[in-house]
Amino acid sequence: DAGVIQSPRHEVTEMGQEVTLRCKPISGHDYLFWYRQTMMRGLELLIYFNNNVPIDDSGMPEDRFSAKMPNASFSTLKIQPSEPRDSAVYFCASSPRTGPYEQYFGPGTRLTVT
Amino acid sequence: RKEVEQDPGPFNVPEGATVAFNCTYSNSASQSFFWYRQDCRKEPKLLMSVYSSGNEDGRFTAQLNRASQYISLLIRDSKLSDSATYLCVVKPQENSGYALNFGKGTSLLVTP
Repeated sequence: DAGVIQSPRHEVTEMGQEVTLRCKPISGHDYLFWYRQTMMRGLELLIYFNNNVPIDDSGMPEDRFSAKMPNASFSTLKIQPSEPRDSAVYFCASSPRTGPYEQYFGPGTRLTVT
Repeated sequence: RKEVEQDPGPFNVPEGATVAFNCTYSNSASQSFFWYRQDCRKEPKLLMSVYSSGNEDGRFTAQLNRASQYISLLIRDSKLSDSATYLCVVKPQENSGYALNFGKGTSLLVTP
C-alpha cells in the first residue's frame, strides 16, 4: 500500500509568489491533516478535513493560506503571496475513521521562500 | 505557556542504556496522549499511545500521571536505531475534534 504522497518534495520560491502544495492521502482514510514544522514552533496543525469537509482551520496563520480537498484522494495547501516566514516543512497526514489519532504522515514538502 | 513541553535534549546515551523522557501538558482536561517518533529529516510516526494504567511495547514503556500532568517514555536496552526525536502528543479535550498538540520533541542519540 502506498503511503501519503506529497509533492513537490522541495520548493524554493521568491517572496510574493504563489505556492501550491499537494497531498494524496492513503486510500480509505477519512481524515486529512495539514501541518507545518519549524525549529522555533515545532509541529503545528494548520487545518484538517473529515470526508473532504474542512472541520478546523483555526491553525491557518492568515488569509494568505488556503486549503481545499475537492475529493477523497487529493488536497492542496496554497500560499498566496508567500513570505520568507512561511519557510518550513509542510506535512500532510491522513488517518482512518477507526483510529483518527493514528496519523500517517507524508514525507513533507520543504518550502524555502527567499 | 506552551501546551505541551518537553526537554529538547539532546540525550546522549550508550547502547544498552535505559533512558527516560518526560513531557508536561498544561490543559488538565486533556484526554488522550501519544508518543510519536521522528527520524532526522523524516516524517513523524506513531510510536505508541499512552493509557491511564501505563502500557508497554517491547522495550518501550509509557506512563501517564494525570495529577501532575506529565507523560513519560522509558526506553530499555537502547539500540543505535532508537536515535531519533521523540514527540509528546496530547489531544486537548474530549470535544476538540481530532486536533492534536505536538511537543517540540526530545532528541535522543544512542552511541556505540
